[in-house]
Amino acid sequence: GNSVTQMEGPVTLSEEAFLTINCTYTATGYPSLFWYVQYPGEGLQLLLKATKADDKGSNKGFEATYRKETTSFHLEKGSVQVSDSAVYFCARMDAGNNRKLIWGLGTSLAVNP
Amino acid sequence: DGGITQSPKYLFRKEGQNVTLSCEQNLNHDAMYWYRQDPGQGLRLIYYSQIVNDFQKGDIAEGYSVSREKKESFPLTVTSAQKNPTAFYLCASSIGGVGNTGELFFGEGSRLTVL
Repeated sequence: GNSVTQMEGPVTLSEEAFLTINCTYTATGYPSLFWYVQYPGEGLQLLLKATKADDKGSNKGFEATYRKETTSFHLEKGSVQVSDSAVYFCARMDAGNNRKLIWGLGTSLAVNP
Repeated sequence: DGGITQSPKYLFRKEGQNVTLSCEQNLNHDAMYWYRQDPGQGLRLIYYSQIVNDFQKGDIAEGYSVSREKKESFPLTVTSAQKNPTAFYLCASSIGGVGNTGELFFGEGSRLTVL
């Protein structure tokens, strides 16, 4: 089927720890891939994206590389901060005419000082 | 500032009552979306509209209705037919059409509680 699977949370880290949130997808072809972030009490906002295989998206110290061999788009950050505490959503473009996004279930991250 | 405005931020409703959530955008986007967010279930698409006077059902449209009479506005009505309406509702917009890059712009959400 067509889906996006992300690692279950919650993820709890200490400040300055290394972060990885796994995301894999199933799809026909090579759809654009996204990471969105939702801070407490807010709507979502785009964190980064990659539109083709081997692209690396990056923003605010976060990175994710589009790996077609493993159909993955894992989110990484070398040193997390308390302000990174949020829910992170992986998504891919639905390549059909409706151009909707297909969403993962979200991964909650809590960073402790 | 350009963006999406949802109102009200918090809403309480008695069972059997319809309620309408407002969503307004000044980004000149063609496409607008309504999502429902429940703990552990991620985002589920309720309705979406790619152009004025047109809209399509999403994955969980039962018990909801929408209209798109103006480009800027996409109100969502939660009807009494919706069996479990307590949730966090998110409105979003995007450029839409062939120019759609997949970037959605979200409002801050409306939290509906049915008493």
